Amino acid sequence: DAMVIQNPRYQVTQFGKPVTLSCSQTLNHNVMYWYQQKSSQAPKLLFHYYDKDFNNEADTPDNFQSRRPNTSFCFLDIRSPGLGDAAMYLCATSTILSGPANYEQYFGPGTRLTVT
Amino acid sequence: DQQVKQNSPSLSVQEGRISILNCDYTNSMFDYFLWYKKYPAEGPTFLISISSIKDKNEDGRFTVFLNKSAKHLSLHIVPSQPGDSAVYFCAASAGAQKLVFGQGTRLTINP
Repeated sequence: DAMVIQNPRYQVTQFGKPVTLSCSQTLNHNVMYWYQQKSSQAPKLLFHYYDKDFNNEADTPDNFQSRRPNTSFCFLDIRSPGLGDAAMYLCATSTILSGPANYEQYFGPGTRLTVT
Repeated sequence: DQQVKQNSPSLSVQEGRISILNCDYTNSMFDYFLWYKKYPAEGPTFLISISSIKDKNEDGRFTVFLNKSAKHLSLHIVPSQPGDSAVYFCAASAGAQKLVFGQGTRLTINP
């Protein structure tokens, strides 16, 4: 089955220690997204890639970086995690279709990050 | 500045009855709206959507209504089933393949 996969599902890191979360997809979608979701809050878009074009949200801290080495993979790097970065990180994909607009996004199961 | 709001954090409905989840938005540029459903330990999954050129879209037990003048949309589930117990997110798009999400409503269906 085509899907969005996130590894690991649970990640514990120390305050200030760099951490990388990964996302892969078998949908061959050209757009990939990273969201941060804190408890009982809306998922918040951090950035997205349209093919290789990186699009950062204006309020995404510099501490968050991303890489997309190919269509299938996308990484979220947190350079110096703080306690406030503990959250669920969701990866999603979508595709640009011809014809009527379709903004549906397909989500992975998320990685829950704990910062100690 | 929360552009998409779901004012009810939780909702409890008896099995077989209608569930109505509500969502309000402030950005008049939004032209496409979606509902997602999320089970614990899983990512959100797409449920149903509606374009701003319509005021209703139906898919089986799920119907979404859009009231553009009130900047309000609602999701109706009828009849509600135990498997519908989940967190429901409303999302909106103003194009550019980006979605703005509400904070979610936890729906519990009681037997």
